[in-house]
Amino acid sequence: AQSVAQPEDQVNVAEGNPLTVKCTYSVSGNPYLFWYVQYPNRGLQFLLKYITGDNLVKGSYGFEAEFNKSQTSFHLKKPSALVSDSALYFCAVSSYSGGYQKVTFGTGTKLQVIP
Amino acid sequence: SAVISQKPSRDICQRGTSLTIQCQVDSQVTMMFWYRQQPGQSLTLIATANQGSEATYESGFVIDKFPISRPNLTFSTLTVSNMSPEDSSIYLCSVEDSGGAENEQFFGPGTRLTVL
Repeated sequence: AQSVAQPEDQVNVAEGNPLTVKCTYSVSGNPYLFWYVQYPNRGLQFLLKYITGDNLVKGSYGFEAEFNKSQTSFHLKKPSALVSDSALYFCAVSSYSGGYQKVTFGTGTKLQVIP
Repeated sequence: SAVISQKPSRDICQRGTSLTIQCQVDSQVTMMFWYRQQPGQSLTLIATANQGSEATYESGFVIDKFPISRPNLTFSTLTVSNMSPEDSSIYLCSVEDSGGAENEQFFGPGTRLTVL
């Protein structure tokens, strides 16, 4: 069975500072990894994904994530945080099961960017 | 990318009643998914709906409680039956981008359900 762990319920960072939101995963075979963001009272928005290729993946809104196979991690990063980045972030892993991508989400990390 | 709408966006319901949530996609998709996000928790897959066949339910979810319809390739409904306060959640519809092997899922805005 596949799983995702987001060890931090909340991350606080000052505006302008770099941010990291941690994610580790467990899956058999090659992982498909995703980050989604959820703003208050809104649905999930796709940020970025890793399928294969470069370990550093660049996504929307200046976010990037680094795939580390040996550590089974896929941490989300941004060089300079904005107040508008404050939201709930979900890491997810997927694999093919029964003809479709079955996605498992982490528990989410609330990012609070302090002005 | 697919654009997904859901109706209603939110509702407050009485215990014992049922609510049907609609999900509309702007393009034809093979697979549609229904998730539940309980307060303060992550997303949990309820079922997968493939057009023309019965939905496939995940462990812990049953058709009698969450009947799903999938009449065509752009529409699906999820009914939450005989509701209790424990059913208070956000219910999200999603679709799989069929543009290739690097599939990702796109999510609707969600339906926020409160059961009194």
